[in-house]
Amino acid sequence: GQNIDQPTEMTATEGAIVQINCTYQTSGFNGLFWYQQHAGEAPTFLSYNVLDGLEEKGRFSSFLSRSKGYSYLLLKELQMKDSASYLCAVLDSNYQLIWGAGTKLIIKP
Amino acid sequence: GAVVSQHPSWVICKSGTSVKIECRSLDFQATTMFWYRQFPKQSLMLMATSNEGSKATYEQGVEKDKFLINHASLTLSTLTVTSAHPEDSSFYICSARVIGTGDTGELFFGEGSRLTVL
Repeated sequence: GQNIDQPTEMTATEGAIVQINCTYQTSGFNGLFWYQQHAGEAPTFLSYNVLDGLEEKGRFSSFLSRSKGYSYLLLKELQMKDSASYLCAVLDSNYQLIWGAGTKLIIKP
Repeated sequence: GAVVSQHPSWVICKSGTSVKIECRSLDFQATTMFWYRQFPKQSLMLMATSNEGSKATYEQGVEKDKFLINHASLTLSTLTVTSAHPEDSSFYICSARVIGTGDTGELFFGEGSRLTVL
């Protein structure tokens, strides 16, 4: 079966760096997405990786290793507003989006 | 976590016909459900916000007469694509918000429905 794994919850300190990991097992691969979701709001797109390597976008970076079925989202210079859930999702061979359960990130002052 | 079920997962229809997609919250009540559309290799695009017992709120550029949304109960929202055309072929996904005791405002997503219009 298809599976996306990411930690349920993480806690970090304001100003620090945090890495949220995602491992996946899917039938085919057409890219991996990271979304941010604040409580009660629709998710917002953060990144899309389809090739191996690191994609940097401001304070956020996303890494992909297709051979390992692994990705991570790196958040630098954490701010209180970064407290949210972070969703990892993989587009499989049928272009169906397989979602992880999300990682709730708690930022403490 | 809470479970949101979407049906059907796959649907193929002829141009000009209408297709209904159901989104159900199986083990919780949802006052608000969101409908998204996603084209291949693109991010989710929010189409509309569905509120139980009231009219849906549509995002800019989404035709409300073409994409009919009904949220008749706290566990069911439906999206009907009327007079579908090939350009409506896409992946449609719903999400629902948990309400009640311990409401954290978290959203839970359905599995998605892939529509192909011939």
